[in-house]
Amino acid sequence: QVQLQESGPGLVKSSETLSLTCVVSDYSITSGHYWGWIRQPPGQGLEWIGSVFLDGTATYSPSLRSRVTISVDTSKNQFGLQLTSMTGPDTAVYYCARQILHNGYDFPDHWGQGILVTVSS
Amino acid sequence: SSELTQDPAVSVALGQTVTITCQGDSLRSYYASWYKQKPGQAPALVIYGKNRRPLGIPDRISGSSSGDTASLTITGAQAEDEADYYCSSRDSGGNHLLFGGGTKVTVL
Repeated sequence: QVQLQESGPGLVKSSETLSLTCVVSDYSITSGHYWGWIRQPPGQGLEWIGSVFLDGTATYSPSLRSRVTISVDTSKNQFGLQLTSMTGPDTAVYYCARQILHNGYDFPDHWGQGILVTVSS
Repeated sequence: SSELTQDPAVSVALGQTVTITCQGDSLRSYYASWYKQKPGQAPALVIYGKNRRPLGIPDRISGSSSGDTASLTITGAQAEDEADYYCSSRDSGGNHLLFGGGTKVTVL
């Protein structure tokens, strides 16, 4: 059973960069699939941020592309998220997830518990 | 298309059947996956592909698709089915993942 655990600061100052890490347990990132980040502002819906493949190839949401970097560290079996120029609307629960490849398309099937990140002014 | 549209809320009487829908052009090309989210919890996958359920998901939950619309049906709704449900799929270009706005299901 794949397990994912997010870690990082719960509070970020406005204009600073958010850095989060997702450690994957009981499954090797090198086995394939995509590894993604999804966020959810308080009381709102889910927003896909982007994902990365084991070779480091990443794709990003068009609305966040200019501020996002997702990277993978296969030696530590983890992947990370950097989001620059944080502002109030970036306050959200950030989830990491495995996006499983199934019959030619992918979707999140295992999720971390999420980490609340608040942007302070 | 870069949108998946869901009704914001539906209600269902205990033991009755409810269907929630997800509409978007990309659903003509890609299957939807569906997620159940209870307050304070991470989303959990309940349907993927052509009506496939992960282990542990009861068979009273089913999925279907026609044209640009995917549907999730709960047959014989139980109290524990009360939650927010989100659909997800690739966009029409296949490059990005989309989520619908979510449907809040209330079991009366």
